[in-house]
Amino acid sequence: DTAVSQTPKYLVTQMGNDKSIKCEQNLGHDTMYWYKQDSKKFLKIMFSYNNKELIINETVPNRFSPKSPDKAHLNLHINSLELGDSAVYFCASSARAGRVLNEQYFGPGTRLTVT
Amino acid sequence: GQSLEQPSEVTAVEGAIVQINCTYQTSGFYGLSWYQQHDGGAPTFLSYNALDGLEETGRFSSFLSRSDSYGYLLLQELQMKDSASYFCARGHQAGTALIFGKGTTLSVSS
Repeated sequence: DTAVSQTPKYLVTQMGNDKSIKCEQNLGHDTMYWYKQDSKKFLKIMFSYNNKELIINETVPNRFSPKSPDKAHLNLHINSLELGDSAVYFCASSARAGRVLNEQYFGPGTRLTVT
Repeated sequence: GQSLEQPSEVTAVEGAIVQINCTYQTSGFYGLSWYQQHDGGAPTFLSYNALDGLEETGRFSSFLSRSDSYGYLLLQELQMKDSASYFCARGHQAGTALIFGKGTTLSVSS
């Protein structure tokens, strides 16, 4: 029974296109995240949502727009894709802040390739 | 700042013990976590230290010294399956995300 799921797993698209990645968690967590992992494996927070409310927007270009329809879902829409957007995007979730925040559950990742 | 520093690569043989160090900047520090990531996989949580001392979970242990702004992950009785990247992480200043180190690639050989 998958805890954090993402679709699609692979996404290959051309520059200038718009694409979305979906994420769902069935852990009953209040907080969800999007992380970006580049080709050097550097993991960087992009967005954090708590109970559908945006908490962190880590200087991400406004071409990236997260949407949380409910606390179990956090989707990521990307407009006007650029070559530099090629990366693996991970969705994650955790219980409330504090100690339990540090135990985050990651989805399998979406490998985005922009050509 | 809130950055973390860890070695980029460590190599070891099966059955050995390896220690992966992590140093961090003290600004707004709330505790240190460790994550494992196999190639092509997702990061998975290993351990968390909020206070000084050692936390043990099977073959893995994690240590924190807040006075030294330093922690480490200790892996004992290494197995080939332990070959992976290991990340230390700390809480984001806004309190609801993680800031990761750049990761340490551990290669275990027979």
